[in-house]
Amino acid sequence: DADVTQTPRNRITKTGKRIMLECSQTKGHDRMYWYRQDPGLGLRLIYYSFDVKDINKGEISDGYSVSRQAQAKFSLSLESAIPNQTALYFCATSDGQGAGNQPQHFGDGTRLSIL
Amino acid sequence: AQTVTQSQPEMSVQEAETVTLSCTYDTSESNYYLFWYKQPPSRQMILVIRQEAYKQQNATENRFSVNFQKAAKSFSLKISDSQLGDTAMYFCAFKGGSEKLVFGKGTKLTVNP
Repeated sequence: DADVTQTPRNRITKTGKRIMLECSQTKGHDRMYWYRQDPGLGLRLIYYSFDVKDINKGEISDGYSVSRQAQAKFSLSLESAIPNQTALYFCATSDGQGAGNQPQHFGDGTRLSIL
Repeated sequence: AQTVTQSQPEMSVQEAETVTLSCTYDTSESNYYLFWYKQPPSRQMILVIRQEAYKQQNATENRFSVNFQKAAKSFSLKISDSQLGDTAMYFCAFKGGSEKLVFGKGTKLTVNP
């Protein structure tokens, strides 16, 4: 089983719909992240959480919200989806207790298309 | 704010040859970490190699090595004996005191048979 699991893998929906992307991890990491990937733009940070009670905005948080339901779960919501939110979304985790060179571990991504 | 620049949007190399991907970054911090991630067509993000800024020795992982030039703020990735499975997007990433990763825009590498 994957250490970082994202659901759904793919989603097509309509403008104005509320959408939730879910992420769960079995790595025991305290830190979790949501990124968005667009062609030619790399990965950009949407939100991040260093523990259950700590939620922070990233570079592009407008139009998104998150919930850290437990140490292992971090969900991303689009309250009213718009077409320019069509992208590949990644969840990642890292160990805040480890050395600074600890990498982030990524899920397999959710490809979201908004019509 | 830190920025990461990958100046080569696309590159190609023949199988078994060597290729170098460029990455430069901008920061005022003295202690930080640098990473290269690989994203094959399967879209997974896979860590290739990492480097601590306080280490002068360049990191090496099998066929992958880096040329870290701290004064020049350069962190290039060299892939030796390129294989078809190396075909992927490659992302350079920076992590400083904020503990957040900042990614470059990526380089698409194609390995030709």
